[in-house]
Amino acid sequence: NAGVTQTPKFQVLKTGQSMTLQCAQDMNHEYMSWYRQDPGMGLRLIHYSVGAGITDQGEVPNGYNVSRSTTEDFPLRLLSAAPSQTSVYFCASSGYRNTIYFGEGSWLTVV
Amino acid sequence: QQQVKQSPQSLIVQKGGISIINCAYENTAFDYFPWYQQFPGKGPALLIAIRPDVSEKKEGRFTISFNKSAKQFSLHIMDSQPGDSATYFCAASTRAGNNRKLIWGLGTSLAVNP
Repeated sequence: NAGVTQTPKFQVLKTGQSMTLQCAQDMNHEYMSWYRQDPGMGLRLIHYSVGAGITDQGEVPNGYNVSRSTTEDFPLRLLSAAPSQTSVYFCASSGYRNTIYFGEGSWLTVV
Repeated sequence: QQQVKQSPQSLIVQKGGISIINCAYENTAFDYFPWYQQFPGKGPALLIAIRPDVSEKKEGRFTISFNKSAKQFSLHIMDSQPGDSATYFCAASTRAGNNRKLIWGLGTSLAVNP
């Protein structure tokens, strides 16, 4: 019972590099989302998806892209990494109930 | 604009004491109020949740008190234990079209001293 799986756990990027954070869930949830967590700022929604082929912007979408080609996968792409994107990233999913299931997080440092 | 205000930002409690975290909201359309618990290095996980048609919900040592008229809800942790040391997030949810919109508090870092 894997739940929500995120990779990588830790990543260091140089400014300007691009990368993709992977997220997969095995609960057949329609709703998936990406959050970033920064000290004193709580959880901020980056992008979300209500089903395969449908994505929308959250609170802080700039500098990030997402796609949802399957129900299971929801990758987050950093197009040109900036130091301001140093953060902890959480992927989450939820089904018809209100409970949100989070992954274990991806720690990203941009130098 | 922070629609869910959580306090305090940090809290230190002695083992066996009561931890109380408060949240206030503005939007009367919110109809679901969860609390999430996050341990260091882990993702948040649902702890307990309440709907506005009840004033209290208890699960073990954890209780949500809900005051609809004051638009406030709080988490009480009875007999607090060092293992309860974590960050706690309150949230409020409302339906937005076919989806649910969740608004998060900024979190409370709880430390329970042995």
